[in-house]
Amino acid sequence: AQSVSQHNHHVILSEAASLELGCNYSYGGTVNLFWYVQYPGQHLQLLLKYFSGDPLVKGIKGFEAEFIKSKFSFNLRKPSVQWSDTAEYFCAVRKATDKLIFGTGTRLQVFP
Amino acid sequence: EAQVTQNPRYLITVTGKKLTVTCSQNMNHEYMSWYRQDPGLGLRQIYYSMNVEVTDKGDVPEGYKVSRKEKRNFPLILESPSPNQTSLYFCASSSRPSYSGNTIYFGEGSWLTVV
Repeated sequence: AQSVSQHNHHVILSEAASLELGCNYSYGGTVNLFWYVQYPGQHLQLLLKYFSGDPLVKGIKGFEAEFIKSKFSFNLRKPSVQWSDTAEYFCAVRKATDKLIFGTGTRLQVFP
Repeated sequence: EAQVTQNPRYLITVTGKKLTVTCSQNMNHEYMSWYRQDPGLGLRQIYYSMNVEVTDKGDVPEGYKVSRKEKRNFPLILESPSPNQTSLYFCASSSRPSYSGNTIYFGEGSWLTVV
């Protein structure tokens, strides 16, 4: 079945540690790729998106993601996390039908 | 300011009592959709609409209805809510076509509890 997979369900880090959250999708053809963040009790916010061009995408708050087409992956990275990065992170894929399909999310906890 | 507005933001209701969650966007977007968010399941699409009077089922449409009589509004209707519809609901909108780099805008979410 076509899907978006986030293999890390819960990640716990200390401040200043590096972060990489995995995202793999199983759709063929052209897709748009997104990472959203949801801080506790808040709505979704767009971190970054990839439509075309440079596969290394930089987003807000020091986040970046790399699209590797051959691996169907769009992993999220941040070199040094902060306590304020504690949130849930969702990878999403949009196909030509406009439908946005989300992964199950990764909960990140950062301890001072 | 570009906005997707949902109401109510928080609601506790009883099983079987019909309710409507409204969604309104001020960006003249063609595409609107509803998602529910549940722990461990991420966001799943309930219904979507490509334009006025055009709606279609998403992945989890059972127990829900929608309508799109005007471009700006896309209400989600629970005719007979049940406890398994307790969830956090998000409305989203974007302009079309999707491959021109259009941003998807999300509402702030509606927490619904059915007892």
